[in-house]
Amino acid sequence: GAGVSQSPSNKVTEKGKDVELRCDPISGHTALYWYRQRLGQGLEFLIYFQGNSAPDKSGLPSDRFSAERTGESVSTLTIQRTQQEDSAVYLCASSPGLAGGRTSTDTQYFGPGTRLTVL
Amino acid sequence: GEDVEQSLFLSVREGDSSVINCTYTDSSSTYLYWYKQEPGAGLQLLTYIFSNMDMKQDQRLTVLLNKKDKHLSLRIADTQTGDSAIYFCAERPHSGAGSYQLTFGKGTKLSVIP
Repeated sequence: GAGVSQSPSNKVTEKGKDVELRCDPISGHTALYWYRQRLGQGLEFLIYFQGNSAPDKSGLPSDRFSAERTGESVSTLTIQRTQQEDSAVYLCASSPGLAGGRTSTDTQYFGPGTRLTVL
Repeated sequence: GEDVEQSLFLSVREGDSSVINCTYTDSSSTYLYWYKQEPGAGLQLLTYIFSNMDMKQDQRLTVLLNKKDKHLSLRIADTQTGDSAIYFCAERPHSGAGSYQLTFGKGTKLSVIP
């Protein structure tokens, strides 16, 4: 597959449970991003990975949110003790990143998202 | 911080032109993007423009940039029912700290009336 893929596409969970969301970036893309999209809203930046550098976690809304990425491959976003306000679509994107040259547009390509519903 | 504003709704008749507007606040050199989101789908990149350009055309899409007013528009010629979607304007600085971060508007929902 040439695009960014995410799984699951839909997740319904009970308040207080932990959830794990997965993102497979485009092969060769060194940069990976997670965004959150609440109903009727634009996208909120959550976290950014660039190669093996320390991630930029400045957008994570609380310490219940964490993300990992192994090398330049799959990333997982984990939400612990989910709350109803965590209900949203979680979108992952990847871009060529520094490997593509920061002077380039470094366009971000998005996956289809995971729709999380916390009951 | 940067801010991107869009009108929330636009309704046009099939065959007419649609114009979706966006304003941004970043005064540095920047990339500006238009993404399309169909129901239940992720974001599809439509086009982008760098802030040293005034216009970019790609088939039915025309992007116009007024740098003085920090105003960006997306014109869709001969709008079709398949163009019904939410259109997001996004901005990214060309360089410097946070130059990888996209700042999105809330999106404009385009409804095409047959």
